[in-house]
Amino acid sequence: EDQVTQSPEALRLQEGESSSLNCSYTVSGLRGLFWYRQDPGKGPEFLFTLYSAGEEKEKERLKATLTKKESFLHITAPKPEDSATYLCAVQAATGGGNKLTFGTGTQLKVEL
Amino acid sequence: GAGVSQTPSNKVTEKGKYVELRCDPISGHTALYWYRQSLGQGPEFLIYFQGTGAADDSGLPNDRFFAVRPEGSVSTLKIQRTERGDSAVYLCASMAGPNTEAFFGQGTRLTVV
Repeated sequence: EDQVTQSPEALRLQEGESSSLNCSYTVSGLRGLFWYRQDPGKGPEFLFTLYSAGEEKEKERLKATLTKKESFLHITAPKPEDSATYLCAVQAATGGGNKLTFGTGTQLKVEL
Repeated sequence: GAGVSQTPSNKVTEKGKYVELRCDPISGHTALYWYRQSLGQGPEFLIYFQGTGAADDSGLPNDRFFAVRPEGSVSTLKIQRTERGDSAVYLCASMAGPNTEAFFGQGTRLTVV
């Protein structure tokens, strides 16, 4: 069974204080690992897809990296508007019809 | 439309009643998914449609839950004899095809009282 574990559950940062969120996974052959951002009362918003170990993608203050067992979402010099829940999900290469298996998320709060 | 649209945004129903939740995916997206998200949890897969057919309904919790997509676009999730444990946010997502990202709607918050 595919599993995703995210840590920490919650993270409080000061504006400008860089940090990383972790996503550990087990999957029967990885098709893709996805990062989403979710604001309160909203649906998840797509950030990145990573397909193979060693791959990295960047968008503004966010950078996602992937190994064979985990992914990190690095946040550089965060701003209050980066406050949200960050969800990690995996998609299996065989069967599953491209469905996503999500972790429980990391709730990030960035304070002035 | 520009994005995935779900209606209603909120639904309060009494225990034992029947509810229908609607999803209008991005135009041209052949794959449609329903997920359920409880408070403090990540979304959990319910059912996947490829075109009009339910290709994988392994996530439906029991036979009170059913979903249709008769014309390959709009989908309806139907819940019979609702229970308080069904209270959650029901999310719909659509994809253009394999190796593409899933776009989510804003969800329907279902409260069973």
